[in-house]
Amino acid sequence: GAGVSQTPSNKVTEKGKYVELRCDPISGHTALYWYRQSLGQGPEFLIYFQGTGAADDSGLPNDRFFAVRPEGSVSTLKIQRTERGDSAVYLCASSPRDSSSGANVLTFGAGSRLTVL
Amino acid sequence: LAKTTQPISMDSYEGQEVNITCSHNNIATNDYITWYQQFPSQGPRFIIQGYKTKVTNEVASLFIPADRKSSTLSLPRVSLSDTAVYYCLVGAAGTGGFKTIFGAGTRLFVKA
Repeated sequence: GAGVSQTPSNKVTEKGKYVELRCDPISGHTALYWYRQSLGQGPEFLIYFQGTGAADDSGLPNDRFFAVRPEGSVSTLKIQRTERGDSAVYLCASSPRDSSSGANVLTFGAGSRLTVL
Repeated sequence: LAKTTQPISMDSYEGQEVNITCSHNNIATNDYITWYQQFPSQGPRFIIQGYKTKVTNEVASLFIPADRKSSTLSLPRVSLSDTAVYYCLVGAAGTGGFKTIFGAGTRLFVKA
C-alpha cells in the first residue's frame, strides 16, 4: 500500500480481555516495528521484525504481549489479559531492509488507540 | 545505543528560524543522527538524517559539528503548522537491525 495501515484506529476493551492490533506495512518493506506511546511521552520500542522473525523483542513489557508476522508482511500485536496500564497508542512502522550504512528510516502508521476500562 | 538530550519545549513566532539542539555525547563511529516530527494523533514522520557537517532538504537543515557530540535541527521561517514534537535519534543500521529508540522530544509551539 501507499502507507502503513493500522487497524483498528480505536479499541475500547475491558480489563482482562484479549486484544489484537493489526499492522499492514508498506509493500516491500522487510523491517517492521511496534511502539507504544503514552500521553506526553515519546514512542517506546516494543519489538522489531526483520522478515518473519522477531529480531529484537526486548521492549515487550511482559509475557502478556506477543507479536507475529507469519508471512513477512502483515503483523499482529496480541495483548492477553489486558490491564488499565496497557492503555496507550500503539504505533507500527516499517522500513526497507537494513541499509549497509546509515540508519533505518521508519514510516509510521497513525496508530491504534487502546483504552482498557 | 547513544542517549540523546534535547530541550523539553520551545516557543517561536511565525516567520522565525527555529534551531533545536540535541546532545549525544556518546555517539558511536557508525551512528547516524535522525530527526522525526510528530503531530497530535499521528505517528512520527521522518524529517532529515545526517552523519557529519551539514545536510539540507526541502524541509530543514541539519548541522553536525566535527566532534558529532551534538546536532542542530534548523527549521527556516516556521509557520503555525510546524507546531509539533521533534525527536532526535542516534543509531546505526547493521546486522541485527536498529532498535530506533525515541526520547521525550522537543515540543515546539509556533505562535502567530
